[in-house]
This record gives sequence, structure tokens and C-alpha cells, in this order.
Amino acid sequence: EVQLLESGGDLLQPGGSLRLSCAASGFTFSTYAMTWVRQAPGKGLEWVSAITPGGSTYYPDSVKGRFTISRDNSKNTLYLQMNSLRAEDTAVYYCTKSIGYCSGGNCNWGQGTLVTVSS
Amino acid sequence: QSALTQPPSASGSPGQSVTISCTGTSGDIGGYNFVSWYQQHPGKVPKLMIYEVSKRPSGVPDRFSASKSGNTASLTVSGLQADDEADYYCTSYAGNNGYVLFGGGTKLTVL
Repeated sequence: EVQLLESGGDLLQPGGSLRLSCAASGFTFSTYAMTWVRQAPGKGLEWVSAITPGGSTYYPDSVKGRFTISRDNSKNTLYLQMNSLRAEDTAVYYCTKSIGYCSGGNCNWGQGTLVTVSS
Repeated sequence: QSALTQPPSASGSPGQSVTISCTGTSGDIGGYNFVSWYQQHPGKVPKLMIYEVSKRPSGVPDRFSASKSGNTASLTVSGLQADDEADYYCTSYAGNNGYVLFGGGTKLTVL
């Protein structure tokens, strides 16, 4: 069974930094693209970063230069380093597997971790 | 990297059918057959309802169907039931144009 377990969410002040982690199990982590998706309170879903099996990374303009996605295939763990945080980054952050293609319906979401940016 | 365009709301009475559209570009919906649809109830994780444009995961009722024409994808919910009331999001692979894009979401109300 695929499991994605996010951790690291916290309450912090604007301008701060935070690293989220996602522990993956139940599949061959190194062979799948992984994505972070966020949802601000009462708002829609927004992808914030993606990393391919080969290590190519993608970001929307809203977080480019501030967020960095990375993966440690030896630990089956996905990371999201978030710097220069703003109030508008407040959201539930979901770790997701292969939602770009969702080939064969083989895509999954974690339960999410809450990041709150407030003074 | 523009989001896909969905109507903000849709509604129908129990037993009726409703269709939700999702419009993109040739760089996303029109260029790939990797359109997915998610259902999200309040406070819950999004649930996959459709993948690869029109395929249903096991356990999703056949009342849910979907298709694509050009740059627009559509989700149809037939025989509306009270539990269908939720937010629905489309997504599409977008390659180097943004990897994966989401629609803004459609709130489906069962009257």
C-alpha cells in the first residue's frame, strides 16, 4: 500500500524558513515523479514544485527562487525547502506521487501538513 | 503557467446530470492525454475520480464520466446524489510549460 507521510508543518513569521519532509513507502520511490501541492484556507489546489526521477525540477512563478524541492532516494524521502515565507504561503501542503501523468490511475496523495505564516 | 479554467459553480437536482468543463491550451490539455479529475469534500484529501482523460479508478461509480475535445476537458456526473456535492478539480500534465496544472475548482451543489 502506498503511503505518503508529510511532516514539518509549523507556525512561523513572515520571512522565515521551513523544510517539509515526506516519507514514502509501498512503492519504488526512485522511479516516480513527485510533486508538492498546496491548498490555502478556503482556496483551490496549486502545485508548488515537482521533481522527476532524474532530478529535473519545476516550479510555478509564485514560488520560484524561494522554494526548493529535493529527494533522497536512499531514504525514500521528499523534501520542500521554503525560504522567505509570506502570509500567502499559508496552506496545507500535500506530498503527491505521479499526479502529472497519473498513468494507470497510479497516483497518490498524503494527508497534508499545515504551514501557517503569520506575525 | 496559467491555471486551467473551470466554472466556479455548478448545480443540479438529485437524479439529474451536470457537466463541468475545464479549459486549457495546446500546451497542456490539448497536447497530452493526461487529464485527471478530483473530488474533494470539505476537510478531506482530494480523491481521484478520473485519470487519462476518461478512465475511472476501481470503486468510482460509472455515473462519473469524462472526455476531452481539443483544449477542453469535461466531467459529467449523472444521476446526481447528495454525496456528490463537493469541489471538483481538473488537472493536466503540462510538460515544460509547468509540469502539472490545476483548474480553479468547481463547487457542485446538489439542490
